[in-house]
Amino acid sequence: DSGVTQTPKHLITATGQRVTLRCSPRSGDLSVYWYQQSLDQGLQFLIQYYNGEERAKGNILERFSAQQFPDLHSELNLSSLELGDSALYFCASSVGETAAYEQYFGPGTRLTVT
Amino acid sequence: ELKVEQNPLFLSMQEGKNYTIYCNYSTTSDRLYWYRQDPGKSLESLFVLLSNGAVKQEGRLMASLDTKARLSTLHITAAVHDLSATYFCAVDKAGNMLTFGGGTRLMVKP
Repeated sequence: DSGVTQTPKHLITATGQRVTLRCSPRSGDLSVYWYQQSLDQGLQFLIQYYNGEERAKGNILERFSAQQFPDLHSELNLSSLELGDSALYFCASSVGETAAYEQYFGPGTRLTVT
Repeated sequence: ELKVEQNPLFLSMQEGKNYTIYCNYSTTSDRLYWYRQDPGKSLESLFVLLSNGAVKQEGRLMASLDTKARLSTLHITAAVHDLSATYFCAVDKAGNMLTFGGGTRLMVKP
């Protein structure tokens, strides 16, 4: 158990809908990273927040957005969902601001878009 | 753009045998990580390699890094069934993101 929690574990929704994924980092960690894992794209970095501020952006679609709240939990919002958005979404947390600090991964949220 | 390639993508091996997974990356990097993922589960950190020539070992797994060749290897010694999983390498290049390889799915058969 990494100490990172994610909810929900599974999510099934229809195309065109909007969902919110939630992540709570390990105690003391200030950075939250979001990743998408799909069969065709592999594991891709989406976005990072550090202490409430966006720090880095990867291959995140415009339909997706995220934020980190004052209590350091983070939410990933996915809207206008398409079949291709079906994937496992991981968040990871680390104590520092850069990828120099080891990241600890949560259990993931499996999103199925039908 | 940093590219990370692993090979093989799939590896089926007998228990007791040795094998090596390779991870090549396209530009200089600061750190290289190896992760293990069991089916439907999260990623578990195995090794962090920081400098040229770094070698780390844990049980039957040994990871090494050659920054000049931009190559890391994950060597499996006397494989056992419990090692069956998908292994990923990931590279950090002075930034805030990890770039992952495509993964190597390892199946160890009795």
